[in-house]
Amino acid sequence: QKEVEQDPGPLSVPEGAIVSLNCTYSNSAFQYFMWYRQYSRKGPELLMYTYSSGNKEDGRFTAQVDKSSKYISLFIRDSQPSDSATYLCAFFSGNTPLVFGKGTRLSVIA
Amino acid sequence: EADIYQTPRYLVIGTGKKITLECSQTMGHDKMYWYQQDPGMELHLIHYSYGVNSTEKGDLSSESTVSRIRTEHFPLTLESARPSHTSQYLCASSEPGYNEQFFGPGTRLTVL
Repeated sequence: QKEVEQDPGPLSVPEGAIVSLNCTYSNSAFQYFMWYRQYSRKGPELLMYTYSSGNKEDGRFTAQVDKSSKYISLFIRDSQPSDSATYLCAFFSGNTPLVFGKGTRLSVIA
Repeated sequence: EADIYQTPRYLVIGTGKKITLECSQTMGHDKMYWYQQDPGMELHLIHYSYGVNSTEKGDLSSESTVSRIRTEHFPLTLESARPSHTSQYLCASSEPGYNEQFFGPGTRLTVL
């Protein structure tokens, strides 16, 4: 079983849709849960960061963590064409490099 | 915007050449990383460093080497470039005890 599983997509939605992006993980030592966004031909940038189970909101974005199910989600409300990017989940367990998912490519169609 | 820089941004080079990809950051971060990413594909960690004179290999076997002589500088070298090295190389850095990694803009390498 891979340490992190993320559906690579691609995912195509109309503008204004609610988008749900998901990752599952197997390492119980993961303490911090992150979502990065990567635009084409750019480096990834941190979008959301949380360390506890539950929801965390930031504008149109909500990060959800369920530690008991080892499952994290990123919800995007009122999606915009500018949200078109690849979204990567990332996990941190201590003094080791981040573990990234494969990324889900999202296209929001106007 | 993160202060991490990579040069060159694009490089087209012939097989057998020695190349060095430069990465520098002005944030004083101890931790630095190199990733390899093919277009539309996942990130692969190839090297990382937790401080001066400290380097480790990542998850993906790579023929490249790195050095960390100064905190702000983490160059990656390929002694003899091959077409299989064609990819995007991303450099990142982070503070100790802090999980956010700041990424540079990447170097897109093409080996003919």
